[in-house]
Amino acid sequence: DTGVSQNPRHKITKRGQNVTFRCDPISEHNRLYWYRQTLGQGPEFLTYFQNEAQLEKSRLLSDRFSAERPKGSFSTLEIQRTEQGDSAMYLCASSGLQGPWGNTEAFFGQGTRLTVV
Amino acid sequence: QKEVEQDPGPLSVPEGAIVSLNCTYSNSAFQYFMWYRQYSRKGPELLMYTYSSGNKEDGRFTAQVDKSSKYISLFIRDSQPSDSATYLCAMRGFGNEKLTFGTGTRLTIIP
Repeated sequence: DTGVSQNPRHKITKRGQNVTFRCDPISEHNRLYWYRQTLGQGPEFLTYFQNEAQLEKSRLLSDRFSAERPKGSFSTLEIQRTEQGDSAMYLCASSGLQGPWGNTEAFFGQGTRLTVV
Repeated sequence: QKEVEQDPGPLSVPEGAIVSLNCTYSNSAFQYFMWYRQYSRKGPELLMYTYSSGNKEDGRFTAQVDKSSKYISLFIRDSQPSDSATYLCAMRGFGNEKLTFGTGTRLTIIP
């Protein structure tokens, strides 16, 4: 499978616990994105990496959230002291320098569904 | 007011009908326009990608962009039950990697 891979697919955690999600992008893609999607809404941008550099962070990404992409390959998203409002689908996407239509395009993984109880 | 507005539906049409899905936006900096299809509990899948105004066709799908009206459309011809999904419009500006999505329209094709 050469698509974007996310693990775990589902995570149930108690309020106050820390959780970490992993994303493995398409191997030749240098850009990696994290989005959050709640029920009935479109994905909302959280943060973006080009190689190992985190170039943009949304104001949605509070101090409890941290993302890393060591060595410019896989990425992790950690949420500390989870709250019920953190319950959502966390989507990872990656893109390369050029797509079939002559520009970059973002390919999404299947997401990690987080439930905070 | 959201930067991208999309009617959430739900929209139900009979098999074989032409489906029209639309989004409006307020940010004139948006230059790249995309349509994604999302099945229940799955990640979004890119359907169409257009730059600036004009039409693009790919099989049964046609994307239209009217930048003067800040209005984009996706048409699905000969709709099939397998087209039943949520359709998300997304857009971004030149040199900006952040995608801004609509809320998505839930579409059901009735056999």
